[in-house]
Amino acid sequence: EVQLVESGGGLVQPGGSLRLSCAASEFPFSDYWMSWVRQTPGKGLEWVANIKQDGSEKYYVDSVKGRFTISRDNTKNSVHLQMNSLRAEDTAVYYCARESIRGSYFDSWGQGTLVTVSS
Amino acid sequence: DIQMTQSPSSLSASVGDRVTITCRASQNINTYLVWYQQKPGTAPKLLIYASSNLQSGVPSRFSGSGSGTDFTLTISSLHPEDFATYYCQQTYSPPLTFGGGTKVEI
Repeated sequence: EVQLVESGGGLVQPGGSLRLSCAASEFPFSDYWMSWVRQTPGKGLEWVANIKQDGSEKYYVDSVKGRFTISRDNTKNSVHLQMNSLRAEDTAVYYCARESIRGSYFDSWGQGTLVTVSS
Repeated sequence: DIQMTQSPSSLSASVGDRVTITCRASQNINTYLVWYQQKPGTAPKLLIYASSNLQSGVPSRFSGSGSGTDFTLTISSLHPEDFATYYCQQTYSPPLTFGGGTKVEI
């Protein structure tokens, strides 16, 4: 069974930084695009960023461009999200998600990690 | 960006009811649409991809239809475990966007 386990969430002050990690197992990690998706009570589900199998392509939602960086380590089956210049509106549960081979949707999700940006 | 609008935002139903949820895209997305189910405190779960294809392991009482801008998710006979929130998502073009969700309540 596919396993995706996020870590790194927590409380951070506005303007601060946080690095999320996702450990993947039980599937050929280097064969898949990977994404981060966040969820807030107010804005619902929002795709944040994704990264190609070999890390050569990365895409971001406009609201995080220039502040967040997605990366992956195929030797360690992990994907990361470096979040800088955090704002209150970045407060959310962040999910690591595997994109389907068939298309740009998510066939496996982690349990999520909560990021709270507050002073 | 493609906007996804779901209706209703919530509905009340009983076990055994037929339930239909609608999702509308702000532009033509062909059949590039998926549906998820989410229960409180858990991650979304993929139900249907490419508008009408059932994900492996999903009960056949779930079905999807539509193309272009208008899509529906139907639960033919509601089971107790189906009370949850349902989301659509377009996979046509980035940024990938979701509908606001439909909460199915008892």
